Amino acid sequence: DSGVTQTPKHLITATGQRVTLRCSPRSGDLSVYWYQQSLDQGLQFLIQYYNGEERAKGNILERFSAQQFPDLHSELNLSSLELGDSALYFCASSAGQGREETQYFGPGTRLLVL
Amino acid sequence: LAKTTQPISMDSYEGQEVNITCSHNNIATNDYITWYQQFPSQGPRFIIQGYKTKVTNEVASLFIPADRKSSTLSLPRVSLSDTAVYYCLVGPLEGGYQKVTFGTGTKLQVIP
Repeated sequence: DSGVTQTPKHLITATGQRVTLRCSPRSGDLSVYWYQQSLDQGLQFLIQYYNGEERAKGNILERFSAQQFPDLHSELNLSSLELGDSALYFCASSAGQGREETQYFGPGTRLLVL
Repeated sequence: LAKTTQPISMDSYEGQEVNITCSHNNIATNDYITWYQQFPSQGPRFIIQGYKTKVTNEVASLFIPADRKSSTLSLPRVSLSDTAVYYCLVGPLEGGYQKVTFGTGTKLQVIP
């Protein structure tokens, strides 16, 4: 158990819909990262937040957005969903924003868009 | 931003030592090298991290040459349960804006 929790575990929805994925980092960790993993691709970094502020952006679509709240939990919002958005979405956390960035990953949310 | 390159897949028999090499030619001075293991439908799990020379823990060893343009993860005496994807990650040490990039991952298949 990494200490990172993600909800829900599974999500099935239809194209055009909007969903919100939630992540709670390990106690004391200030950074939260979001990743997408499709069947045919490796881990794709989406976005990082550190202590409530956006720190880095990766291959995140404009239809996707994220935020980190004062209690440090984070939400990833996916809108206008397409079939290709079906994937595993992982959240990871780390203590700081750069120093010794060991990331601890949550169990993931499996999203299926029908 | 250092890009990493790894072999796509490797096969090994049980009990053998496995070495997986990751190339990161553009590694920056403040970048650390980290390896993760991922089983199907699970999040990646931290294995080992290093900056230079050699690092060893109870799971693996990490060899980093002086120029730091590559690194080798060494798994001693692998078992079937080591079948997984292994990711090499290169990321900055200090704060500020940063991006974290995973390599393509190496799919290790351990054969009985």
